[in-house]
Amino acid sequence: EAGVTQFPSHSVIEKGQTVTLRCDPISGHDNLYWYRRVMGKEIKFLLHFVKESKQDESGMPNNRFLAERTGGTYSTLKVQPAELEDSGVYFCASSQPLGGKGYRETQYFGPGTRLLVL
Amino acid sequence: AQKITQTQPGMFVQEKEAVTLDCTYDTSDPSYGLFWYKQPSSGEMIFLIYQGSYDQQNATEGRYSLNFQKARKSANLVISASQLGDSAMYFCAMRELNSGGSNYKLTFGKGTLLTVNP
Repeated sequence: EAGVTQFPSHSVIEKGQTVTLRCDPISGHDNLYWYRRVMGKEIKFLLHFVKESKQDESGMPNNRFLAERTGGTYSTLKVQPAELEDSGVYFCASSQPLGGKGYRETQYFGPGTRLLVL
Repeated sequence: AQKITQTQPGMFVQEKEAVTLDCTYDTSDPSYGLFWYKQPSSGEMIFLIYQGSYDQQNATEGRYSLNFQKARKSANLVISASQLGDSAMYFCAMRELNSGGSNYKLTFGKGTLLTVNP
């Protein structure tokens, strides 16, 4: 079974440009998460999809970030316009819902996209 | 206040020896899950082991075990018989299930860089 995949693996852009990151979750996983790790800091939650719906987007830093999950399959995260502080590693994770015992769900992570904004 | 604290930025261990990576957490939620992930230099996040707040026994997965001390709010990872391939960054994470049952995000510690020496 294929794991979570992310594209591209690396992206180098200039400040003010637009970048779109893609995540393909494990097949059948309804839950999809985006996280980010800025250099030297903890991995931070960005948002959570359940199928195509945004369940929690409390971690999105500002309105320059737009996430979508068309048809409840793959997801994209667009940064427009990119700023220097957006540099970091963007991780996607997916999980299968466990109903009332959601705290036991294991999230499986992709390899991440390393974004560098110059 | 930090929810997940990993006090060891770096650890060294000799091959074939055991090593303990520390993790303490802070939560008032009675239902929570604790996770450990490994991130080798290649960048992917690999799920290692899970401990639920209601689990009576410490979790074990092969050479990995979790020393769960609920009263102390600690969930230390023990790696037995270290191998060179264990050299990686290790992250402790927690998921809380708040009263609304909708908060499934993971909160991560800053990580511990483990180096296994031959």
